[in-house]
Amino acid sequence: KAGVTQTPRYLIKTRGQQVTLSCSPISGHRSVSWYQQTPGQGLQFLFEYFSETQRNKGNFPGRFSGRQFSNSRSEMNVSTLELGDSALYLCASSAIAGGYNEQFFGPGTRLTVL
Amino acid sequence: SQELEQSPQSLIVQEGKNLTINCTSSKTLYGLYWYKQKYGEGLIFLMMLQKGGEEKSHEKITAKLDEKKQQSSLHITASQPSHAGIYLCSWWWGAQKLVFGQGTRLTINP
Repeated sequence: KAGVTQTPRYLIKTRGQQVTLSCSPISGHRSVSWYQQTPGQGLQFLFEYFSETQRNKGNFPGRFSGRQFSNSRSEMNVSTLELGDSALYLCASSAIAGGYNEQFFGPGTRLTVL
Repeated sequence: SQELEQSPQSLIVQEGKNLTINCTSSKTLYGLYWYKQKYGEGLIFLMMLQKGGEEKSHEKITAKLDEKKQQSSLHITASQPSHAGIYLCSWWWGAQKLVFGQGTRLTINP
């Protein structure tokens, strides 16, 4: 079974631009969660989607948004990029939402904002 | 304040030595995940603990959950270079929010 895939793996943008990251979950998994990892803040929860619906959202500004498609693939969008958005963005999939289920993580997308 | 606190934040040990990493929760722990991350890469699931007193082992890594102390410990026996990386504990804070400790960076010196 293929694991969680994320594209692109690396991305360089400039301040003010917007960016879209993609995550393909493990086949059959319907829940996708997104996390931001920075040296200062560690791993922080962004949001979770299940069956195309956002079920929970972390404490991030509205510039961070996401969506999930009918095939469970998910995209995350960040508008008006700031230097502080430079981070490793990880997505994770699980068979069902929340509830102590194991999450399988992708390799991440390294975003650098210049 | 951090919901899950890990200690130490970094650890350098000689190859072959044993080591322990702790994860302390600010509230009752009903379970815990341990993950390992190579720098700049995704997380690798190590194990999940779900009951107080539960202890699990995988190869040379053993983890235990002490519900009363609101703490979990991860112990590596006879460390090897392949054990190097960042170890993260995490658990559900609310139904759909997975919270992580700040991580423990482990370096193994040959």
